[in-house]
Amino acid sequence: EVQLVESGGGLVQPGGSLRLSCAASGFTFSKNWMTWVRQAPGKGLEWVANIRQDGNAKHYADSVKGRFTISRDNAKNSLYLQMNSLRVEDTAVYYCAGGDPSDMWGQGTMVTVSS
Amino acid sequence: QSVLTQPPSASGTPGQRVTISCSGSSSNIGSYNANWYQQLPGTAPKLLIYSNYQRPSGVPDRFSASKSGTSASLAISGLRSEDEADYYCSAWDDSLSNWVFGGGTKLTVL
Repeated sequence: EVQLVESGGGLVQPGGSLRLSCAASGFTFSKNWMTWVRQAPGKGLEWVANIRQDGNAKHYADSVKGRFTISRDNAKNSLYLQMNSLRVEDTAVYYCAGGDPSDMWGQGTMVTVSS
Repeated sequence: QSVLTQPPSASGTPGQRVTISCSGSSSNIGSYNANWYQQLPGTAPKLLIYSNYQRPSGVPDRFSASKSGTSASLAISGLRSEDEADYYCSAWDDSLSNWVFGGGTKLTVL
C-alpha cells in the first residue's frame, strides 16, 4: 500500500523556519518525481516545489523561491521542505505528493505562521 | 488569480451530466497535458484524469475529459451525491517552469 506521511508542521512566528518531512513507503521512491503542494484555509491548491528522481533538478513557485528548499534522501525514502523566512501567507496545509503527474498524496501537515 | 481559469461553482441533480471547464494558454494546456484532481471534503486531492483524458485504475468511467487547444474540460455523467467535491485542473507551464492549478470548481449535487 502506497503511503506518504508528512510531519513537521506547527505554529511558527513570522520570519521563523520549519522543516517538513515526508516518509514514503509502498512504492519505489527513487523512481518518482516528488512534489509539495499547499492549500491555505478555505482556498485552492497551490503548487510549491518539485524535485527530480536524482535530486538534481528542482523547481519552485515564485511565491517561495529563495525562501524554501526542497530536497530528498532516496536511501531513507524521504522528502523534505526547508521553509525559511516564513510569512503569514505561508499558512496552509502542506501535502507531499509523488509521481508525474502526482498520483500519490499524503494527508497533509498544517503550518500556521502567526505572531 | 490562477493561471488556469475554472468556474468557481457547478451543480446538478442526481443522474445528470455536468461539465467543468478549464481555460489556459499556449504555455500550459496548449502545449502540455491537462490533469484533473478531485478533492472530497476534508481529504487530500486524488488524481482523477491524467494526460488529458486517461483515467487511473479505479476511477469510474462516469468521469471523462477532453482537451482542445488551450482549454480542457471534465465531464461527470450519472451524477451521484458522492461526487460532491472540489475539482481542480492542472498542467505544466513552461513560461513559469511550474505546475499550475486552476482555482477549483465546487460541485454541488442538488
